[in-house]
Amino acid sequence: DAKTTQPPSMDCAEGRAANLPCNHSTISGNEYVYWYRQIHSQGPQYIIHGLKNNETNEMASLIITEDRKSSTLILPHATLRDTAVYYCIVTSGGTSYGKLTFGQGTILTVHP
Amino acid sequence: NAGVTQTPKFRVLKTGQSMTLLCAQDMNHEYMYWYRQDPGMGLRLIHYSVGEGTTAKGEVPDGYNVSRLKKQNFLLGLESAAPSQTSVYFCASSYPRSRDLGREQYFGPGTRLTVT
Repeated sequence: DAKTTQPPSMDCAEGRAANLPCNHSTISGNEYVYWYRQIHSQGPQYIIHGLKNNETNEMASLIITEDRKSSTLILPHATLRDTAVYYCIVTSGGTSYGKLTFGQGTILTVHP
Repeated sequence: NAGVTQTPKFRVLKTGQSMTLLCAQDMNHEYMYWYRQDPGMGLRLIHYSVGEGTTAKGEVPDGYNVSRLKKQNFLLGLESAAPSQTSVYFCASSYPRSRDLGREQYFGPGTRLTVT
């Protein structure tokens, strides 16, 4: 699975959009980009995933560059409850059976 | 629908003692996983199972054993606990819509284990 690089920490004002970047320059054609978050020692929570196209769900939007070497997770209106560690994970699924490799992630702090 | 549950929530063991952590899911998921998370670190995969009666090693399997006798349960055993196994243990499950695709995983609340 491709390695990802994320900034260690970011801040965001409540009500503003939070844009979390992720570099995955060695991603291969069959690998998906997944985002999870972990709120203060709870179990990680799935947010969104994508292959090539931009994706949106009720929680967030995922923007993947055309060359697929980087992506951005967008929380459109961040709230204090969005303060968490956000993990960007690239995985092929397939013979990896959905196994996830977690890095250090980005600590997002949303402040009033 | 309880999702993924883990038992116990907390446990303190002495070095050399054994214990079993239980993970249960009620979503009829095929795949189940055990991870550990040390302070300030991301999760690391210990063992996983792709179906009832099957298990496989993950990234850090040493010192642990697992069993998946029933589809809904995945047990993690520590035969002789060591202080290095002090960690938070998370169980997860997922449902493979297709073998070619990664699947979102649903995580339990974790078990906090301290080995003294």
